[in-house]
Amino acid sequence: GENVEQHPSTLSVQEGDSAVIKCTYSDSASNYFPWYKQELGKGPQLIIDIRSNVGEKKDQRIAVTLNKTAKHFSLHITETQPEDSAVYFCAASFGANSKLTFGKGITLSVRP
Amino acid sequence: GAGVSQTPSNKVTEKGKYVELRCDPISGHTALYWYRQSLGQGPEFLIYFQGTGAADDSGLPNDRFFAVRPEGSVSTLKIQRTERGDSAVYLCASSTRTGPDNEQFFGPGTRLTVL
Repeated sequence: GENVEQHPSTLSVQEGDSAVIKCTYSDSASNYFPWYKQELGKGPQLIIDIRSNVGEKKDQRIAVTLNKTAKHFSLHITETQPEDSAVYFCAASFGANSKLTFGKGITLSVRP
Repeated sequence: GAGVSQTPSNKVTEKGKYVELRCDPISGHTALYWYRQSLGQGPEFLIYFQGTGAADDSGLPNDRFFAVRPEGSVSTLKIQRTERGDSAVYLCASSTRTGPDNEQFFGPGTRLTVL
């Protein structure tokens, strides 16, 4: 089955700096790659996603890039703010049932 | 509009007991998913419903776990003879459509603690 790896496991940045979170996946059939943000005590919230026919997608301060050949995708957050502090999960899915395979998550801390 | 809701938010039970966890998906969403999230880990897929039928239950760890969605809306995850290893946050998600590029909206989860 699919295996998604996420690194680093923790990341600390200064407010205003950029943060980059990387994920790799194993199954070349995967074609949908969402990113979720999870705050303490809450469920994951979709923040951006990318499909395999697109190489990059932006939404204000957030962008995601996909390299299908290398089977990795990355989340980029610019001008980080303290409220960006949370756990971020990447995921991948394939097939008609669209079950998501998640990475282990990264804890992002933005220092004011 | 209202998001995915899950009840109870917390459930503490004793080893060997039976528990039911409920999920109310977003109105009109035909696809419903259950995931389990252990401490410090990402969510792990358990089961997926399209309408009333379980289209994929390959993630259920053993036959103590069962889920139903009798009317194609609310779903209940049932765990028999609970074990301490079942302690986790159980997450429910729903989606408007199936296919490889759906968007799954998650509920807040039910934190299950088995003593």
